[in-house]
Amino acid sequence: GAGVSQTPSNKVTEKGKYVELRCDPISGHTALYWYRQSLGQGPEFLIYFQGTGAADDSGLPNDRFFAVRPEGSVSTLKIQRTERGDSAVYLCASSSWTGGYNEQFFGPGTRLTVL
Amino acid sequence: ELKVEQNPLFLSMQEGKNYTIYCNYSTTSDRLYWYRQDPGKSLESLFVLLSNGAVKQEGRLMASLDTKARLSTLHITAAVHDLSATYFCAVEEDSSYKLIFGSGTRLLVRP
Repeated sequence: GAGVSQTPSNKVTEKGKYVELRCDPISGHTALYWYRQSLGQGPEFLIYFQGTGAADDSGLPNDRFFAVRPEGSVSTLKIQRTERGDSAVYLCASSSWTGGYNEQFFGPGTRLTVL
Repeated sequence: ELKVEQNPLFLSMQEGKNYTIYCNYSTTSDRLYWYRQDPGKSLESLFVLLSNGAVKQEGRLMASLDTKARLSTLHITAAVHDLSATYFCAVEEDSSYKLIFGSGTRLLVRP
């Protein structure tokens, strides 16, 4: 079946602008995660949704970052007043608890460049 | 705070050789995952390790977990060029659903 999809694949914006990144999880997966990966590093956790609610947003770096998942499927990560330091690849993952464990399947990512 | 350390960070090896990548973590967990990432691509799930002593094998790769030592290993047997990629281990915090990743091991297999 279809995997996790993310759009856009690349986003270039100017400092101070607002951006939205979209994630479409694997059908039937109730859990959705956002991670951020900087060059040469492992992904860093941002936020986790179980259904429609954000169960853990402890990784969001500041209040410029916000994410929603209004219908429990597609999620949007929103970044206000972008800064150059926000440049990274934003990865979305989804999981189900089939088998009793939390194997996360990742999308291709959105490469965000803030000029 | 859970910390995950991998070593080496970079590994250049010849085809046909064996090597091991190490993943240490700082707090209790019995759920560990290995992922592969090719340049410019996303992460591909390789292994799920769910208990002390778990061992999984797929082709030339074998992963194991020792929860008492807080250590996982990824062993490469008779490496081939197609294994060149970056390998990440990720630990799931107890009572949490988020994964904490190591910095990755960039593997280059030379002819």
